[in-house]
Amino acid sequence: NAGVTQTPKFQVLKTGQSMTLQCAQDMNHNSMYWYRQDPGMGLRLIYYSASEGTTDKGEVPNGYNVSRLNKREFSLRLESAAPSQTSVYFCASSNLAGGPGNTGELFFGEGSRLTVL
Amino acid sequence: DAKTTQPNSMESNEEEPVHLPCNHSTISGTDYIHWYRQLPSQGPEYVIHGLTSNVNNRMASLAIAEDRKSSTLILHRATLRDAAVYYCILRDRNAGGTSYGKLTFGQGTILTVHP
Repeated sequence: NAGVTQTPKFQVLKTGQSMTLQCAQDMNHNSMYWYRQDPGMGLRLIYYSASEGTTDKGEVPNGYNVSRLNKREFSLRLESAAPSQTSVYFCASSNLAGGPGNTGELFFGEGSRLTVL
Repeated sequence: DAKTTQPNSMESNEEEPVHLPCNHSTISGTDYIHWYRQLPSQGPEYVIHGLTSNVNNRMASLAIAEDRKSSTLILHRATLRDAAVYYCILRDRNAGGTSYGKLTFGQGTILTVHP
């Protein structure tokens, strides 16, 4: 059971280059999230998608775009990378629907470590 | 979003109980209290959550104050594998109870467990 899969796991970019981080989940979750974590800091929400076809900004959306390609996949794009975007990026998914026994817990991927020179 | 306050760090000895406190004085009636932890070089993982009553699961216990303005995550017997950053998070659940709001992480508490 793969859970949440992120690619690539590591990437080095030069300032101004673009790239896309890919995320896929196989748990049939309706909601997906992108977070970033800077050294020694907690996670900050970049964008999230409550359901297929919708996306919303989180705390730190500037410099990023997202695409909810289908229910399984949620990608994060950096159009023109900057050194300030050096971070570890985490994708997560959850089932937001309520109901008895549903914790709404988020399942996280292993992270993608991005360095922008 | 309502905020939480946690100590920056705590230490424990192996096989001893650990009580991780969290203050959330501005909690609203529809906020659930969630705890996640993040092991080194991994993504966060869910630990436990509750609304008003104390909760137990295989990983931990959650004690919630009667006024809900604070809570405590209890690890009954700490192991070296419990060394992690623990996040206390308030998560809104709408009045109809049909969906959860987004999860906003704070700084968390770094738990060190000594052999």
